[in-house]
Amino acid sequence: GNSVTQMEGPVTLSEEAFLTINCTYTATGYPSLFWYVQYPGEGLQLLLKATKADDKGSNKGFEATYRKETTSFHLEKGSVQVSDSAVYFCALSDGTAGGGSTLGRLYFGRGTQLTVWP
Amino acid sequence: DTGVSQDPRHKITKRGQNVTFRCDPISEHNRLYWYRQTLGQGPEFLTYFQNEAQLEKSRLLSDRFSAERPKGSFSTLEIQRTEQGDSAMYLCASSSGTGFAPGELFFGEGSRLTVL
Repeated sequence: GNSVTQMEGPVTLSEEAFLTINCTYTATGYPSLFWYVQYPGEGLQLLLKATKADDKGSNKGFEATYRKETTSFHLEKGSVQVSDSAVYFCALSDGTAGGGSTLGRLYFGRGTQLTVWP
Repeated sequence: DTGVSQDPRHKITKRGQNVTFRCDPISEHNRLYWYRQTLGQGPEFLTYFQNEAQLEKSRLLSDRFSAERPKGSFSTLEIQRTEQGDSAMYLCASSSGTGFAPGELFFGEGSRLTVL
């Protein structure tokens, strides 16, 4: 089946520190991988995505590379800011029709709370 | 604001009562999803509509839950005879994905249910 395992938080960093949030997955077929972010009081927003192996998704200084050999999609940022404080969710979508799968259905990890101090 | 909107944002009810949540997706999106999120967990899929057709329901969606999208626009999620275990955030998302490509899901801010 499909599942996502995400490193547990909370993660607390000082501003300008390097961030890594680990994410590994189990999937049937050829999944697409996503990172969603939830800022306080707001809905989930797509941060970045990668749709095939070796793709790198990037946005707002965040990056993640789709590693099929290690079934991983770790989120990284070289220098975090206070405004990056949020909950980060790794997710996958198998995106394929047939076999009872829903197009675009997402399987989420448990989320990692990031707090950045000035 | 042309994002996904959900109503009400908060609902407190007594066990055994019925509750209904409404979701208005982004107007041009043909796909609509309901998810449930409990404290400390990621969102879990409940059900999916393509236009007005409900194409999949999760095993999480017991017989007490029913969702509709009558005209392929807004959707409602009703919970009958609520139980304390139904307390959660109910999230709605929409997408304009075409074919088999997973499009970006746009989420609303959620409707928080507390069952006393």
